Amino acid sequence: AQKVTQAQTEISVVEKEDVTLDCVYETRDTTYYLFWYKQPPSGELVFLIRRNSFDEQNEISGRYSWNFQKSTSSFNFTITASQVVDSAVYFCALSDNTDKLIFGTGTRLQVFP
Amino acid sequence: EAEVAQSPRYKITEKSQAVAFWCDPISGHATLYWYRQILGQGPELLVQFQDESVVDDSQLPKDRFSAERLKGVDSTLKIQPAELGDSAMYLCASSPLVLDTQYFGPGTRLTVL
Repeated sequence: AQKVTQAQTEISVVEKEDVTLDCVYETRDTTYYLFWYKQPPSGELVFLIRRNSFDEQNEISGRYSWNFQKSTSSFNFTITASQVVDSAVYFCALSDNTDKLIFGTGTRLQVFP
Repeated sequence: EAEVAQSPRYKITEKSQAVAFWCDPISGHATLYWYRQILGQGPELLVQFQDESVVDDSQLPKDRFSAERLKGVDSTLKIQPAELGDSAMYLCASSPLVLDTQYFGPGTRLTVL
């Protein structure tokens, strides 16, 4: 069965610190997709990134970067030089050939000025 | 930028009453999803539509929940009768194709008293 584990329930940092959010997944499928979504206090889920299982290249987008390692079934998310606007709940998710998104329980990030 | 629309944003009702939520996906998106997110947890899929057809409703409590997408565009999710345990955020998402990225609306926060 598919499962996503986000062991960090809550992280607090001070502005400009770097922070890494961990995500570990389980699946028996060889083809699957991994996602990160951001959920600010307003409630909507904002799409950040989609990665397929055959693409292990790390990705950088501005202050955001993602490290995908199939060997450890991890898809970690790093925010460099965090800002107060980064405060939100971040969800890692997995989908296989059924198209259903399996979400982790989320990590609440608080960035203090 | 096209967005998924949902209404109402907030709904307070008493148990045993009927409630309905509406979702208008991004134009051209054939696939539509309803998720339920209980406080402190990740979203869980309730039902998935491909055009007007139900693809997956295995997690939909069919004794009280119903969903339709009659013309393959907008969709309605209904609960009758509402129970205290139905208090949650109800999120709608759409994607252009199956196995593609899902884009979420702002959600409807339901409180059952």
